[in-house]
Amino acid sequence: SAVISQKPSRDICQRGTSLTIQCQVDSQVTMMFWYRQQPGQSLTLIATANQGSEATYESGFVIDKFPISRPNLTFSTLTVSNMSPEDSSIYLCSVGDTSSGNTIYFGEGSWLTVV
Amino acid sequence: GDSVTQMEGPVTLSEEAFLTINCTYTATGYPSLFWYVQYPGEGLQLLLKATKADDKGSNKGFEATYRKETTSFHLEKGSVQVSDSAVYFCALSHNQAGTALIFGKGTTLSVSS
Repeated sequence: SAVISQKPSRDICQRGTSLTIQCQVDSQVTMMFWYRQQPGQSLTLIATANQGSEATYESGFVIDKFPISRPNLTFSTLTVSNMSPEDSSIYLCSVGDTSSGNTIYFGEGSWLTVV
Repeated sequence: GDSVTQMEGPVTLSEEAFLTINCTYTATGYPSLFWYVQYPGEGLQLLLKATKADDKGSNKGFEATYRKETTSFHLEKGSVQVSDSAVYFCALSHNQAGTALIFGKGTTLSVSS
């Protein structure tokens, strides 16, 4: 299984600022995924991050608000831009492990509170 | 499109009670099915999975069987503990590499002693 590290684990952010979340994987993976989990809700896919190409965003999410970088096969960042209280969520990085039936593993999440 | 439907929570049980959390899915083809668990204040952990019809996934006393005929993947445990209190998510993904998960809404389980 893949080991995924996310930073920061928690943060309190001021309205209008931006925060970049880092995701580091202990092995090379082709695709990484970013999810959002709003308080008391399920997980919603924000985008799929491919190395060497633009991320693919799901409906309701745009690059200007959630820019993603994927500079290599073990690392990705998600930026939450111009934050508002509605962005208070857990943001989770995940990767697919094709050696185990495409099982998807998650980092521990970045818990953001916007005040 | 593909979707996952879980029973509404919260589910409240006494210790040692039998647990069932229902999960049904709608999908084309033959997806893989998963249960993830989220303990209070923590991230998501894979609990168990099944990749084809009639497979049974099991872990930590939890079991779920992939039922193609009823498009279901119900989670069961014979005797729950207080430490099982968490949110449980049913999810599916297609077996192509790099396919993201589709989640159900989650079911909160609360076990009291």
